[in-house]
Amino acid sequence: AQKITQTQPGMFVQEKEAVTLDCTYDTSDQSYGLFWYKQPSSGEMIFLIYQGSYDEQNATEGRYSLNFQKARKSANLVISASQLGDSAMYFCAMREGRSGAGSYQLTFGKGTKLSVIP
Amino acid sequence: DAGVTQSPTHLIKTRGQQVTLRCSPKSGHDTVSWYQQALGQGPQFIFQYYEEEERQRGNFPDRFSGHQFPNYSSELNVNALLLGDSALYLCASHKTGTRYEQYFGPGTRLTVT
Repeated sequence: AQKITQTQPGMFVQEKEAVTLDCTYDTSDQSYGLFWYKQPSSGEMIFLIYQGSYDEQNATEGRYSLNFQKARKSANLVISASQLGDSAMYFCAMREGRSGAGSYQLTFGKGTKLSVIP
Repeated sequence: DAGVTQSPTHLIKTRGQQVTLRCSPKSGHDTVSWYQQALGQGPQFIFQYYEEEERQRGNFPDRFSGHQFPNYSSELNVNALLLGDSALYLCASHKTGTRYEQYFGPGTRLTVT
């Protein structure tokens, strides 16, 4: 079974509009972390936002916010006021196990390609 | 503050050959992870190095091996290359004991012909 599911292969959004990218996850751990990364065509993975499983408030980083619904096991990324430079692949990823334990691997979804239309 | 660097940027090899990819972690980081990203897929974890030892390994064959040096830099070696090894190889670093994100390098694009 997939641990990270991103059901939207591609999304279009008008410039200056908000967009939500979906991510659901599967884990039996009580302690885990959820990440979103952006990958432009250059290939580098750029960290956007993190949500720990015990964090009570949804994470926000500038125009990025994470809509964390623990009971539904979803961690959707919301980008407000989209810009042309936001066009890229977006990956949801999960770290299982306790934060700070040091040894962890990220499990990634298949990604969503976001295209921002002028 | 230098980020994660990788070399080379691109590489073309022939099936059956061996390849070595290199990674220097972000300043202050001591842990290096390697990921393989096939075209149209998300990255898949290969292994992680800390204190010059392999600490964790994903579902990859023994043809994939690595090394970490005292300065925390790392190498990924792949022997007996297969066409299916063609991918973007990403290196990521973090500092063990810190809170969360791994910082990624720009990747090495390996093409096996």
